[in-house]
This record gives sequence, structure tokens and C-alpha cells, in this order.
Amino acid sequence: EDQVTQSPEALRLQEGESSSLNCSYTVSGLRGLFWYRQDPGKGPEFLFTLYSAGEEKEKERLKATLTKKESFLHITAPKPEDSATYLCAVRDNYGQNFVFGPGTRLSVLP
Amino acid sequence: EPEVTQTPSHQVTQMGQEVILRCVPISNHLYFYWYRQILGQKVEFLVSFYNNEISEKSEIFDDQFSVERPDGSNFTLKIRSTKLEDSAMYFCASSVGQIETQYFGPGTRLLVL
Repeated sequence: EDQVTQSPEALRLQEGESSSLNCSYTVSGLRGLFWYRQDPGKGPEFLFTLYSAGEEKEKERLKATLTKKESFLHITAPKPEDSATYLCAVRDNYGQNFVFGPGTRLSVLP
Repeated sequence: EPEVTQTPSHQVTQMGQEVILRCVPISNHLYFYWYRQILGQKVEFLVSFYNNEISEKSEIFDDQFSVERPDGSNFTLKIRSTKLEDSAMYFCASSVGQIETQYFGPGTRLLVL
């Protein structure tokens, strides 16, 4: 059974203080790892898709990396508007659905 | 930029009543999904739909649930007899292909009293 864990559960940063969020996964053949951002009461907003170990994607202050067992979402010089819950999801070789992790709730203080 | 839309944004219903949640996926997408998120919990997969039939469903998606694409644009989730534990945010998603990124709608918050 596919499993996804995320750490930390919550993270408070000062504006400009860079950090990383972790997503660890156990999956029968990774078909893709996806990062989403979710604001309170809203739907997940797509950020990145990673397909193979060693792959990296960047967008503004965010950079996602992937190894065979985990993915990191690096946040460089965050701003208060980066405050949200960041979700990681995986898809395996056998199913169409995503398995989501519990998320990391990020707060960036001005 | 194309987006998935959902109606209503909020729905309050009495236990035992039927509800229909509606979604308009992105127009060129072929795969459609429903997920739910109970307050404070993970996003959970319910069902995927392709070529006018269910392609995959989870244990949550029991006989009380059904999905339909009644026309060329809408995708619906019906809960026949709602239970208190059905209270959650329900998200519709769509993707171009089976392994492509899924794009999510804003959700319908369902409250069963």
C-alpha cells in the first residue's frame, strides 16, 4: 500500500528565512510525485510534478527535488504570502489516483 | 487560464437526503476525479472516471455514491442518502491523460446535519 508522510507537521519562519519541507514515500513503482499548495478552505493548487530521481523543478522562491525515497520542497527567502499548507502526493504504476500526505502547514511571519 | 469549477461552494443537508455535487472539468481533459477532505485530515481519493465509466474507486466509494457525466461538460457526484460522516470538502479534479497532473477545483463544503 502506498504511503506518504510529510515533515514537519507545521513550520513557522520569519520572512526571508529559508527552509525545506520533506515528503517521504513508499510506493510500488513511482509514476509521479506532485506538490500542491492549499490555502484554507480552497482546493489544492498545482506546483510541481517530478517523475524520476534526480529531477529538480523551480518556480519563483520554490524548488522541488526528488530522490528514490523522498522529495524536498525548498523555500528560499519566503514571504508572508507563501503561508499555506503544502501537500505532497504520489501516483504509482498501478493506479490513477493520487495518495496524499498530511501536509506541512507553513506560516511566514513578517 | 482554464480551471476546474465546482458548484455549489457550500451545501447543507439533512441526514438521509440526497445531494448532487457538480463540477465542470477543464475542457480538453479526459480523466475526471473526485476526492474528499474531512476537516483537518488528508485529501482522500474517491473515484476516477474515463470514457464514461468508472476506472478506479476507493473503499470509501460505496453504493451510496455514484458519478455521472450527463453532458459534454459536467461531471457530478451523487450521494444517495447522506450520513453525518459524509461532512467534508469534496474536490473535483481533471487531467489530460492518465499519468498527467491533476488540476483541482475549489471544492464544495458539504455539511450533513
